[in-house]
Amino acid sequence: KNEVEQSPQNLTAQEGEFITINCSYSVGISALHWLQQHPGGGIVSLFMLSSGKKKHGRLIATINIQEKHSSLHITASHPRDSAVYICAVITQGGSEKLVFGKGTKLTVNP
Amino acid sequence: DAGITQSPRHKVTETGTPVTLRCHQTENHRYMYWYRQDPGHGLRLIHYSYGVKDTDKGEVSDGYSVSRSKTEDFLLTLESATSSQTSVYFCAISEQPRSYSYNSPLHFGNGTRLTVT
Repeated sequence: KNEVEQSPQNLTAQEGEFITINCSYSVGISALHWLQQHPGGGIVSLFMLSSGKKKHGRLIATINIQEKHSSLHITASHPRDSAVYICAVITQGGSEKLVFGKGTKLTVNP
Repeated sequence: DAGITQSPRHKVTETGTPVTLRCHQTENHRYMYWYRQDPGHGLRLIHYSYGVKDTDKGEVSDGYSVSRSKTEDFLLTLESATSSQTSVYFCAISEQPRSYSYNSPLHFGNGTRLTVT
């Protein structure tokens, strides 16, 4: 079983819809990243959080440490939001490492 | 955008040939990483560097070597390329190590698509 699971794998939405992408993990973590990968391949960091909630524009990221779960929400989705969204966790322990989920491919249609 | 340049962006090579990918940064960040991205897998760490001439293995290091002779350059070498090394390779940099990177996010290059025939 992967240490980081994302759902759904693929998501298609109509412009304007509210989007939720989920990330569950099975290990203790010190923090979690949400990343965005555009069709051209570049990867950018959207959020890094260790508790609570962060908001940037139309993007909101939440994390529940007790439930080992994080969500990325996009309000008023737009075709330019079409990308692969990747969750990654920084594991705790003596050998800390960054473990990536497989990504969620989002397509927003006009 | 963080100044990270990967070269080449695309390469096709034959099985058994040596290949070197280059990552160049202008941010003077101490930590540099090489990842590979394959369908059905998350990004996986190949090797990383925590300073000039200081490198260590990641989870999928077999068949790869790295070198860092200058802060700005991190080279990934496939000594004898195999078809299983066909992948997209990403370089990343950070100012702090991953565990302390709360205020030091990971910055990625645009990737190198390598095809081994």
